[in-house]
Amino acid sequence: QKEVEQDPGPLSVPEGAIVSLNCTYSNSAFQYFMWYRQYSRKGPELLMYTYSSGNKEDGRFTAQVDKSSKYISLFIRDSQPSDSATYLCAIQGAQKLVFGQGTRLTINP
Amino acid sequence: GAGVSQSPRYKVAKRGQDVALRCDPISGHVSLFWYQQALGQGPEFLTYFQNEAQLDKSGLPSDRFFAERPEGSVSTLKIQRTQQEDSAVYLCASSLYEMGTIYFGEGSWLTVV
Repeated sequence: QKEVEQDPGPLSVPEGAIVSLNCTYSNSAFQYFMWYRQYSRKGPELLMYTYSSGNKEDGRFTAQVDKSSKYISLFIRDSQPSDSATYLCAIQGAQKLVFGQGTRLTINP
Repeated sequence: GAGVSQSPRYKVAKRGQDVALRCDPISGHVSLFWYQQALGQGPEFLTYFQNEAQLDKSGLPSDRFFAERPEGSVSTLKIQRTQQEDSAVYLCASSLYEMGTIYFGEGSWLTVV
């Protein structure tokens, strides 16, 4: 079993829809939870970063962490075609990041 | 520099050839990481430096892989006697301090033929 599990998709939704992306993790020692966005042939860029259980909002993006069930989510409201990318959840324990497989998301105009 | 810079962006190597991939982290960043990303997968940790000290190399897949950061700034990942399974994107990342936000470069795309 991988330390971080993420459904690879692909996921395709119409413009304006609410998108929900999810990951589960197995190691309760993980302390920091991130979502990275990766466009084709580019490096991952940090979208959201949370430490504690609960919600964190940044514009159209909401990151949610539930440490009791080891579950993290990213919600995208009013999705735009420019949101089309691969979304990677990442968990940080010690110094290094452990990534999920990534979910490939397409927003259709 | 403004971001993490990697070179070459694209490299085609013949099987058995040695390759060297360079990473120039964000200026002043203490921590430097190398990750390997296979097609359709998330990045996987290879190795970590704090300044010039290589503190964790547990992710290096074999002794053909070697990384160095001799002056605590630029880093080089070397792969000896490349094999087809080494084909991947090699991502370098840096952070200002231990447990700081990690910023990635655009990657070096290695194809072994």
